[in-house]
Parts: sequence; structure tokens; C-alpha cells
Amino acid sequence: AQSVTQLDSQVPVFEEAPVELRCNYSSSVSVYLFWYVQYPNQGLQLLLKYLSGSTLVESINGFEAEFNKSQTSFHLRKPSVHISDTAEYFCAVTYSGGYNKLIFGAGTRLAVHP
Amino acid sequence: DTAVSQTPKYLVTQMGNDKSIKCEQNLGHDTMYWYKQDSKKFLKIMFSYNNKELIINETVPNRFSPKSPDKAHLNLHINSLELGDSAVYFCASHRTSGSGGELFFGEGSRLTVL
Repeated sequence: AQSVTQLDSQVPVFEEAPVELRCNYSSSVSVYLFWYVQYPNQGLQLLLKYLSGSTLVESINGFEAEFNKSQTSFHLRKPSVHISDTAEYFCAVTYSGGYNKLIFGAGTRLAVHP
Repeated sequence: DTAVSQTPKYLVTQMGNDKSIKCEQNLGHDTMYWYKQDSKKFLKIMFSYNNKELIINETVPNRFSPKSPDKAHLNLHINSLELGDSAVYFCASHRTSGSGGELFFGEGSRLTVL
């Protein structure tokens, strides 16, 4: 069975500092991996995704994540965060075939302080 | 235009009542989902419909009954509401072919049972 572990429930960081949000998954088959972001009182928005090809994927707002098959990880990074990045971040996995049962991690609350 | 829209956005009701949440997507997707987000932000899939056919039914009490009149709509009816049903319910949609696995989410319907 698939599962997703987000290792940190909360990550406090100062503005302009780098950040890494950790995500590990378990699956015996090929997977698709996603990071979604949820701003307060809003729905989930896709931040970035890994389907195949290059293991490093980037978002338009400076986040990037690297798929590491040997470590079954998909950590999210940003070299310099802004106050506006404060949100809940969810890592998710589904297998690359069939209907899309997206399994979410428990979420990581990123709190950016001035 | 909102891609995935849910109504109502907020719902406050008494224990024992019956309520419905509606979802519509204008993306031309063929698969729709209901997810439940609890007070700790944990997201859990409840149901999925593909072309009006139920394909995922997690261990959800049978007080919850989804209905898909067509592939653009997926409604959730809840009978005999309980305190533990208080949560944010998210609708999502997906195209099963060629979409790269991404789910598009609505903004959520916050249900409070008193």
C-alpha cells in the first residue's frame, strides 16, 4: 500500500532564509509525486509534480523538488522564502496507472517570520 | 470562471440533520472526488466517480452518499449528522488520460455540526 510521510509538522523560518520540507513515500510500483500548497481558508493548489524524466522539478514561484528513487524521497526546497510563502504544504503520491487515488501526507506548516 | 466550484462554502447545522454539498467542474474532466480534511489538516479520500460510476469508496459510514448526475457534477449527501462529521470537505476533479495525474480542487465546504 502507498503511504506518504512528511517528517516535519511545522517548519518555522525567517524571511529570505532557505527551507526544505521533507517527504518520503512508500510504494512498490512506479509513482507520480506532487506538492500541493494550501493558503489559509483556501483550497489546494498544485505547486509542482514529478511524472517522469528529469528528477528535478521546479515551480514558477521558486520552489523545486527532487525525486530520489533510491531514498524514496521528494523533498521540497526554496533558497529564499518570503512571508507570502506561509502556508500548509502537502506531499502526495499516486501510482502511474489506473484511477488516480491521490494519497496525501499529513502536511507541513511553513511559517515565515520577518 | 471557477474550475471546480462547491456550494455551500460554509454550513452550520445541528446533530441529526441531513445536509448536502454540491460540486461542479467545468474542466471537462471525467473523474471527480470527495476528500475530507479534519481539524489537524489531514486529507483523506472518501469517494471517486468516473463518468458517473463509483470507482473508489473508502471506509466511510453509509450515512454519506455521493451522487453523480453527470460527469461534471458530484454531490455529497450526509444523513444524521454527527459531531465528528465537522470538517472541511473538498471536491476535486481529474482527467484520467493525458493529465499527468494532477487533481484540481475546489475551495472547500466547511461543515460545522453543533
